[in-house]
Order: sequence, then structure tokens, then C-alpha cells
Amino acid sequence: AQKITQTQPGMFVQEKEAVTLDCTYDTSDQSYGLFWYKQPSSGEMIFLIYQGSYDEQNATEGRYSLNFQKARKSANLVISASQLGDSAMYFCAMSLNQAGTALIFGKGTTLSVSS
Amino acid sequence: EPEVTQTPSHQVTQMGQEVILRCVPISNHLYFYWYRQILGQKVEFLVSFYNNEISEKSEIFDDQFSVERPDGSNFTLKIRSTKLEDSAMYFCASSGDSLRHSYNEQFFGPGTRLTVL
Repeated sequence: AQKITQTQPGMFVQEKEAVTLDCTYDTSDQSYGLFWYKQPSSGEMIFLIYQGSYDEQNATEGRYSLNFQKARKSANLVISASQLGDSAMYFCAMSLNQAGTALIFGKGTTLSVSS
Repeated sequence: EPEVTQTPSHQVTQMGQEVILRCVPISNHLYFYWYRQILGQKVEFLVSFYNNEISEKSEIFDDQFSVERPDGSNFTLKIRSTKLEDSAMYFCASSGDSLRHSYNEQFFGPGTRLTVL
């Protein structure tokens, strides 16, 4: 079974600064994917970034990057140059790299960006 | 950009009533999912669906739940006899765009907030 742990209930950052949201995972499978989703106060789930377990390079998408450390089973999200619009709940999730399998989510981290 | 849509955005029902939540997945996707999020809690997997069959379901998805793809575009979640604890946001998702490198990148709809009174 897979498990995702997000230990930071809340994080605070100043505008334009970088912030790292922590995520550790546990699985006995070799082929899996790691995901980050953003959930603003309006409630929708917005896909941010994906990292495959066999990908050698860390994933990047604009201001988002995923710091993937396989040996430590961590998949931290780094947001560079934070913006006020980044204030939201952030969920780390994982699934097997097999079509149709469930996404297992962590409890989330609330990020607050101040000016 | 193609997106998953869900209707209604908010549904209020009385305990014991049946509800049907509707979703239109992204058109060339192959796999469809339902998740729920009780207020303030994490998102939980309910069921996945492929080729007109359930491919995986969680222990939450008991006999009061059912899913259906009644036509080529809609994907529905039915709750037969709602309970107070079914109050939650229900998200539909889809994946399997053959143009992408990973089949399990799931894209979520905006959700239906179900309130059971």
C-alpha cells in the first residue's frame, strides 16, 4: 500500500520568496508517479507537476519544481518567486505507474503568501 | 484547453434520498475516477472505471454507491440512500490521453458539493 505524509499543516512566505513544501512517501513498488495539486479556496483541484519514479531529472513546470530524492522517498515541491495567488492548499499525491490506479493523497499544506 | 466538467456545482438533499452526480470527462481520456473530500480533510479515492467496468474501488465505495457511463460522454456517481456523513465535495477525474507520456496523470473537475440534511 502507498502512503503520503505531509508534515507541515501551514506555511507562511513573503511575496517573491521561494518556499518548499515537504512530502514523503512510502511504497514497495518500483514504478510509481508523484503529483502535486493546488486547491485554492474556491475548491477546485489544479494539477501542478508530475514526477515519475524512473525520471532521472527533477520535474519543472514554470515556477514549480519537484525536488525528488528517491533514496529518501521525498518529493518536495519548490515554488520560486511566490505570488499572492499562490495562497492555497497544496496536496502531494502518488499512484502506481499503471493506468487507472488510485491517487493517494496526503493531508495537505496550507500556504499563505503575504505582501 | 479541454477540461473535466461536473454538474451540479452544489446539491442539497435530505437524508435517505438518492442523488446522481454527473461528470463529463475529457473527450479522449480512457479512465475515469471519483474522489471525495470531506470538509477540511484530504481527498479520498472512491472508484476508477475503464472500458465500462469498475477497475478499482476503495472500502468507502460500498453498496450504496454505483457508477455508470450511460452514453459516450457522461460519467455518473449514484448514491442510493444518502447519509449525513456523505456530505462532502465529490470530484470527478479522468486520465489516459494517449498523447501524454504518462497514463496516470489525472485531471480533476471543479467538484460537486453535496450537502445531506
